[in-house]
Amino acid sequence: AQSVTQLGSHVSVSEGALVLLRCNYSSSVPPYLFWYVQYPNQGLQLLLKYTTGATLVKGINGFEAEFKKSETSFHLTKPSAHMSDAAEYFCAVRFTTGGSNYKLTFGKGTLLTVNP
Amino acid sequence: DGGITQSPKYLFRKEGQNVTLSCEQNLNHDAMYWYRQDPGQGLRLIYYSQIVNDFQKGDIAEGYSVSREKKESFPLTVTSAQKNPTAFYLCASSIGGTGNSPLHFGNGTRLTVT
Repeated sequence: AQSVTQLGSHVSVSEGALVLLRCNYSSSVPPYLFWYVQYPNQGLQLLLKYTTGATLVKGINGFEAEFKKSETSFHLTKPSAHMSDAAEYFCAVRFTTGGSNYKLTFGKGTLLTVNP
Repeated sequence: DGGITQSPKYLFRKEGQNVTLSCEQNLNHDAMYWYRQDPGQGLRLIYYSQIVNDFQKGDIAEGYSVSREKKESFPLTVTSAQKNPTAFYLCASSIGGTGNSPLHFGNGTRLTVT
């Protein structure tokens, strides 16, 4: 079955430290990949998306993600965490096979805490 | 400013009552979606619509109903048949319903049923 897995429901980093949020998907055909951020009691905001072409994608707020086909991964990184980065992050995938190309399938989310 | 408006932000209902959540968009998007969010479970698709007067069930449609009479509007009704209706409901839209089109989200409606 096609699925999206985010490793770690909760990640805690110090301000200024590297942020690494992990996302893996299960599909033999590369899908379309997205990262969203959600602040408390708000909707989701698009951080970045991968479609085709360059495997390193830059997004808003200094975030970037690298698509690795061999590892079926799309991990999100930021070199230096800021207090304002504290939020929940969701990896989302639009699979291109199996009749699922109409929807985004979301991971369960990773809550990022940034410590001063 | 273009965007998606969900109303109300908070909604309280008694068990056994139907309730309708509003979603309006002025982005001129063809596709609209309803997702349900529960703590630790990510987002799960309830219904989606790719054009006016047409909609399809998502992964958890039981106990919900929708309509799409206008391009701008996609209201969701939570019926008394929904066993666990208390949740955060998110409406979204996209230019196209497939490919690399990202979803744009409203700010959600938090429904509490007691």
